[in-house]
Amino acid sequence: EVQLVEFGGGLVQPGGSLRLSCAASGFTFSSYSMNWVRQTPGKGLEWVSYIDSSSSFIYYADSVKGRFTISRDNAKNSLYLQMNSLRDEDTAVYYCARASRDGYDFWGQGTLVTVSS
Amino acid sequence: EIVMTQSPATLSVSPGERATLSCWASQSVSSNLAWYQVKPGQAPRLLIYRASTRATGIPARFSGSGSGTEFTLTISSLQSEDFAVYYCQQSKNWPPPWTFGQGTKVEIK
Repeated sequence: EVQLVEFGGGLVQPGGSLRLSCAASGFTFSSYSMNWVRQTPGKGLEWVSYIDSSSSFIYYADSVKGRFTISRDNAKNSLYLQMNSLRDEDTAVYYCARASRDGYDFWGQGTLVTVSS
Repeated sequence: EIVMTQSPATLSVSPGERATLSCWASQSVSSNLAWYQVKPGQAPRLLIYRASTRATGIPARFSGSGSGTEFTLTISSLQSEDFAVYYCQQSKNWPPPWTFGQGTKVEIK
């Protein structure tokens, strides 16, 4: 059974940092591209970042470029998102999602990040 | 960037009735369109990909149609577990982003 479990969310002050992790199981993690997607009450789902299976291709949404860094460790079946210079508008539930040719076929349950003073 | 627009924002439906959700793309995405169901506290679920193909384990009451710029998700007879927010997403352009619509909330009438 494919499982994706995110953790690392929490309350952080504006300008602070947080590192999210996503633990994958039930599939060959090293064969799949992965994404981070966030959900805010006002804006719905927003794609955040993409990384291919070998970390050769990495992309970011304009809203997080220069502040967030995606990475993965295929030996540990883990995906990461380092978030720096956090802003109020980064408050969201963050999901990791497995990429297929035709969309994101498996998602985790998400971890809540709250940016507030 | 391809902009996805969904309508309506909220749909009030009685259990057992049909629900029809619409999604438009700002430019053609061919059939590169997926639909997702999102419930609070749960992992989002892929329902439909390539505009009309049901994902594994998705009940037959969910169907998708359309191509180009206009797409529809139909839930033929709403069950209690179907009340949720539904998002469309295009997967046409490369590199990312694969953009989402703003969502349609299906609520109990």
